[in-house]
Amino acid sequence: AQSVTQLDSHVSVSEGTPVLLRCNYSSSYSPSLFWYVQHPNKGLQLLLKYTSAATLVKGINGFEAEFKKSETSFHLTKPSAHMSDAAEYFCVVSEGTYKYIFGTGTRLKVLA
Amino acid sequence: DAGVIQSPRHEVTEMGQEVTLRCKPISGHNSLFWYRQTMMRGLELLIYFNNNVPIDDSGMPEDRFSAKMPNASFSTLKIQPSEPRDSAVYFCASSFGSNHNEQFFGPGTRLTVL
Repeated sequence: AQSVTQLDSHVSVSEGTPVLLRCNYSSSYSPSLFWYVQHPNKGLQLLLKYTSAATLVKGINGFEAEFKKSETSFHLTKPSAHMSDAAEYFCVVSEGTYKYIFGTGTRLKVLA
Repeated sequence: DAGVIQSPRHEVTEMGQEVTLRCKPISGHNSLFWYRQTMMRGLELLIYFNNNVPIDDSGMPEDRFSAKMPNASFSTLKIQPSEPRDSAVYFCASSFGSNHNEQFFGPGTRLTVL
C-alpha cells in the first residue's frame, strides 16, 4: 500500500536562508510524486512533479526536489526563502491511478 | 484560463439545511474530484468522476452526501441535511486523464454548519 510521511509539521527559516521540507514515501510500484503549496484561504497549487523522468525536478518559484529511490525520499528544497513562501506544503504520492495520497502537510514560516 | 471555479466561496448554514456546492472544471479536462479538508483528517477524496461518470464514491461519508456531474463543465456536491460535523473546506479539482496527471484545484468552499 502506498503512503507518504512528511517528517515535520512545522518548519521555520529566516528570509534568505535555505528551505528543506522532508517527505518519505512508501510504494509498491513506480510512483508519481508531487509537491503542492497552499497559501492561506487558497486552493492547492502544483509546485513540481516527478513521473519517472529526471530524478532532480525543478518547479516554480525556485523550488526543486530530488527523487531518491534508495531512500524512498522526495525532499523539497529552495536555496533562499522569501517571505511569500510562507504557506503549507503537501507531498503527494500516486501509483499511477487517479488516487492521490496526501501527506499531513508542513507549515513553513519565514522570519524577517 | 480561469482555472477551476467553485461557488460559493463561503457558506454558513444551520443544521438540517440543504447545502449545494458548485464546481466548474477547466475546459477540456475529463476527470473531476471532490475533496474535503479538515484539521483532524486532512485532505480526503470524496468522489471521482471520469467523463462525467462517477467512478469512485467510496469516500462519500454517508447518504446525506450526493454528487452529480450532468455535463463536462459542471458538478455539484449536495449535503442534505447538513450537520455541524460537515463543517470543512471542500475542494474541487480537475485533470486531463487521471493516471500520473496533475490535478488542478479550485479555491475551495468554506462551509460552516451551525
